[in-house]
Amino acid sequence: EAGVAQSPRYKIIEKRQSVAFWCNPISGHATLYWYQQILGQGPKLLIQFQNNGVVDDSQLPKDRFSAERLKGVDSTLKIQPAKLEDSAVYLCASSLGRTTNEKLFFGSGTQLSVL
Amino acid sequence: AQTVTQSQPEMSVQEAETVTLSCTYDTSENNYYLFWYKQPPSRQMILVIRQEAYKQQNATENRFSVNFQKAAKSFSLKISDSQLGDTAMYFCAFTKYGNKLVFGAGTILRVKS
Repeated sequence: EAGVAQSPRYKIIEKRQSVAFWCNPISGHATLYWYQQILGQGPKLLIQFQNNGVVDDSQLPKDRFSAERLKGVDSTLKIQPAKLEDSAVYLCASSLGRTTNEKLFFGSGTQLSVL
Repeated sequence: AQTVTQSQPEMSVQEAETVTLSCTYDTSENNYYLFWYKQPPSRQMILVIRQEAYKQQNATENRFSVNFQKAAKSFSLKISDSQLGDTAMYFCAFTKYGNKLVFGAGTILRVKS
């Protein structure tokens, strides 16, 4: 089966610019996650969707980050405006069911550098 | 809030030997799940092994096994017969039902030939 697809793989922007990341989960997976992984740290959940509804966005900096999952399939994560501390790898993951105790399937991530 | 601690930033092992990665966690819950995920240089994280807290038997997956000590809140990963392809960052993670997955900071494992 096809895995979780993410694009772009790398992105370099200047601070205060905008950027968007795209994720296409595994077909049929109900739950989609966006994680932020800062260098030297473990991934931190930004937002969790179940189909096209938000389950958890408690750690999403809503003043600058936004995400949507139209039609319950693919998803975009946007940062506007970007700050230096947003430099990180942004990982998308999906799972078949609704609970986080299931196996997560990850994409290869987008490495963002904010200069 | 639950926390996951991996006290070994880096580990090295010779090919074909055995290595153990440590993980401790803090929770007041009785029912929860623990995971080890592997992140190779490609960045794509892959599930290595999963343990359900209510199961006393330690989980095993081929060359990978865990030592789950519930009372001590310890969840170590043992890799037997290490292979060059095992070189990666390894993350320990915790979740209780319905809550977000919390990751540790990771341990870099280097397998040497």
